[in-house]
Amino acid sequence: DTAVSQTPKYLVTQMGNDKSIKCEQNLGHDTMYWYKQDSKKFLKIMFSYNNKELIINETVPNRFSPKSPDKAHLNLHINSLELGDSAVYFCASSQEGGNTEAFFGQGTRLTVV
Amino acid sequence: AQSVTQLGSHVSVSEGALVLLRCNYSSSVPPYLFWYVQYPNQGLQLLLKYTSAATLVKGINGFEAEFKKSETSFHLTKPSAHMSDAAEYFCAVSDSGTYKYIFGTGTRLKVLA
Repeated sequence: DTAVSQTPKYLVTQMGNDKSIKCEQNLGHDTMYWYKQDSKKFLKIMFSYNNKELIINETVPNRFSPKSPDKAHLNLHINSLELGDSAVYFCASSQEGGNTEAFFGQGTRLTVV
Repeated sequence: AQSVTQLGSHVSVSEGALVLLRCNYSSSVPPYLFWYVQYPNQGLQLLLKYTSAATLVKGINGFEAEFKKSETSFHLTKPSAHMSDAAEYFCAVSDSGTYKYIFGTGTRLKVLA
């Protein structure tokens, strides 16, 4: 019974396409996040949501649009994909924003060709 | 602004030797500190956390870390390395109500037989 689950695990697509990554958590947490891990393993926050409300948008291009239909879900839609978008994207959740540990999904490896 | 510095992007130890992974943080308020481990092609798993209780924190798999405010450090140790400890280790910092975790650049631990 996975706590934070992301789909798909792998995504290969061509430049210019639009794609979505879905994330669901069954931990009852209020806060959810999207992180990007680049080829050097550096983890950078993209977005955080608390109770479906956007809290942080960390200077991410507006081609990236998160959507939180409810507290348990945070999806990421990416328009007009570019080569530089290739990375591993992690969804995470926590009970309170930063006060406790975050639980991470298994990641989605996005490859743009 | 918060930041985390992990000294040593690669650390190699012999099986059975002491593991020491270094983490220094910068924060204007008492921080919450975390160590995560990432095995290949997997998400991040929490090893341990410091949330202003005991300064010596014990985690899973025999790891522990000590919070030293005077040195702004939160180094991770394990008395005896196992082959299964080979992975990428991340130190992270957050503040109450910030809704984000700032990660260090990671340290890849290699365990030699």
